[in-house]
Parts: sequence; C-alpha cells; structure tokens
Amino acid sequence: GAVVSQHPSWVICKSGTSVKIECRSLDFQATTMFWYRQFPKQSLMLMATSNEGSKATYEQGVEKDKFLINHASLTLSTLTVTSAHPEDSSFYICSARESAYQPQHFGDGTRLSIL
Amino acid sequence: AQKVTQAQTEISVVEKEDVTLDCVYETRDTTYYLFWYKQPPSGELVFLIRRNSFDEQNEISGRYSWNFQKSTSSFNFTITASQVVDSAVYFCAPGGGADGLTFGKGTHLIIQP
Repeated sequence: GAVVSQHPSWVICKSGTSVKIECRSLDFQATTMFWYRQFPKQSLMLMATSNEGSKATYEQGVEKDKFLINHASLTLSTLTVTSAHPEDSSFYICSARESAYQPQHFGDGTRLSIL
Repeated sequence: AQKVTQAQTEISVVEKEDVTLDCVYETRDTTYYLFWYKQPPSGELVFLIRRNSFDEQNEISGRYSWNFQKSTSSFNFTITASQVVDSAVYFCAPGGGADGLTFGKGTHLIIQP
C-alpha cells in the first residue's frame, strides 16, 4: 500500500519550455502533498506544501509564479515549471500523506534537464 | 523551525560489519515525529521508520534498529550485519505535522563486498 506515482521520470527540454510533473497517490487519499527539490549530492529541500482545494504554501525563496502547483483532487497534484532555464535543472520529488503526522510516501522523482 | 545534523557525510564499511548512522535534531515543538528515509542510487525515497516523541523505546526491525534519546535529541540508526544492498544515502528528518519534512544532509553509506 501507500504508493505514489510520479510522472515523467525524466525530462530533457530546451530553455524557455514549460514542464508539468504529475504526482498521484494510487491507493490512498492524500490531503497533503509536498514538492521537494534535490540538487546533485545535496539534501532534499522543501519547495511547497499543497493541500487539496487550497493554494499551495511556498517556502521562502521559491518563486510561486515560476513553480505552479495545483492540487485539484485528493489523489493528484501537479508542479509546472514555467519558462524553465538551465538553473532549474534538478531532481524534483513529490510526497503524499493521508493526514498530519503520517509518514510521507514519496514518488520516484523526476530528473529535469534544461538545455 | 526544525534542524537536523547528520555529522557523518560518508561511511564506508565492509559487508557484515555493523554500522551506526548518527542523527541529532533540534525542535521547539513539544510533540513531534522523527523519520528515517533511505535513498538508493536509483533516487527514490524509501520510508524506514517513524518515531513519536513520546515513545522512547528503541525499535528493532530485522537488521535495522533505532535508538531514540530524547535527552540528547538524538535518533541514531544501526544496521547490523550490513549488506551491499544497504548502500544508499540515509536521511533523518523531524517533522510531519502541518509542515513538510526537514531533511538532514544525509549520510552516504557504502558497503563494500
């Protein structure tokens, strides 16, 4: 149980392109989903917290107009990187949980490479 | 705000050795949870354990064990009889309430055959 599916797993695209990443909880309803970013050999940094039906809460330093998050249902959240540039290249990973204090279950991540 | 220190950046041991990964955390919350996750080379994050701050009993799961010392704010992780498949980056993380997890920098564990 507690499976989170993240798609796509790998994206390579040109600078200026917008990229959408999907995060789905397959066998549970996720009241909250989180988006993290991990640069090579570094830790995961929380980007934003997404509650179903509400606007996402962004961490300090994360541009909300660049990283658009939509959490339209209890099983799906999307992250859109708008007008991506090479510095946005990173490993993006989502997580989902049923309720507060429950473990977060992570997707397999998306490796984004902007040329 | 929470903070995590995983002082060991990298540990290398020979297979079958026991190894302990240290985790020291800071939190102002009176109630909190502590988590350990494993990130193998393939990149996905695997949940290992969740510990409630009220429960200081040590936990054992197969070759894995955890020692929670609230007095020293530590939540250390021991792998007994390590195996090559244990090679990964391990993250300690407090949190789990309304906020996301605060990850430590991780400990890269290398198990040599």
